[in-house]
Amino acid sequence: AQSVTQLGSHVSVSEGALVLLRCNYSSSVPPYLFWYVQYPNQGLQLLLKYTSAATLVKGINGFEAEFKKSETSFHLTKPSAHMSDAAEYFCAVSDPIYNQGGKLIFGQGTELSVKP
Amino acid sequence: SAVISQKPSRDICQRGTSLTIQCQVDSQVTMMFWYRQQPGQSLTLIATANQGSEATYESGFVIDKFPISRPNLTFSTLTVSNMSPEDSSIYLCSVGRGGLGGYTFGSGTRLTVV
Repeated sequence: AQSVTQLGSHVSVSEGALVLLRCNYSSSVPPYLFWYVQYPNQGLQLLLKYTSAATLVKGINGFEAEFKKSETSFHLTKPSAHMSDAAEYFCAVSDPIYNQGGKLIFGQGTELSVKP
Repeated sequence: SAVISQKPSRDICQRGTSLTIQCQVDSQVTMMFWYRQQPGQSLTLIATANQGSEATYESGFVIDKFPISRPNLTFSTLTVSNMSPEDSSIYLCSVGRGGLGGYTFGSGTRLTVV
């Protein structure tokens, strides 16, 4: 069964600093991996997804993530944090065998704070 | 990607009552998913709603407490029955167009049980 672990329930960075949110997965088959963002009192928005194409995935708002099979990781990065990036970030995995839209398994979430 | 309309956006309910949440999608989809997000927590899958068959529930969730309907390929409802304060959560519906297409989420229903 798939699982996702996000290291660090809360990350705080200064505006302009590098953002690094960690995600490790466990899967018996090559997974599909996703990063979602949730702003306060809002729904989930897809940042980016990995679906077995390029291992470096670029998403919206300047975020990117790199799939590293050897490390079973899919860490999210952004070179320069902006105040508007403050939100909850969720890493998720789905089983590509169920390619009609298999269920997503979410990590615990990481709350990102950005200091001025 | 699909556009999801979820209603109501929020509600305050008395314990012991039931609330039905609606999820309407602007296109036909095979699978619809219902998630619960408890305060300060991540999302937990409640069940997968398949058109024309019984919903598939995850461990810890039962049909008597969370009955689901899926009358067609664009609509589903989730009912939270016999509510208690522990049911206070955000409930979200989601659709997937295969892993390649990603998953879209409704804006959620923020439920408070008093």
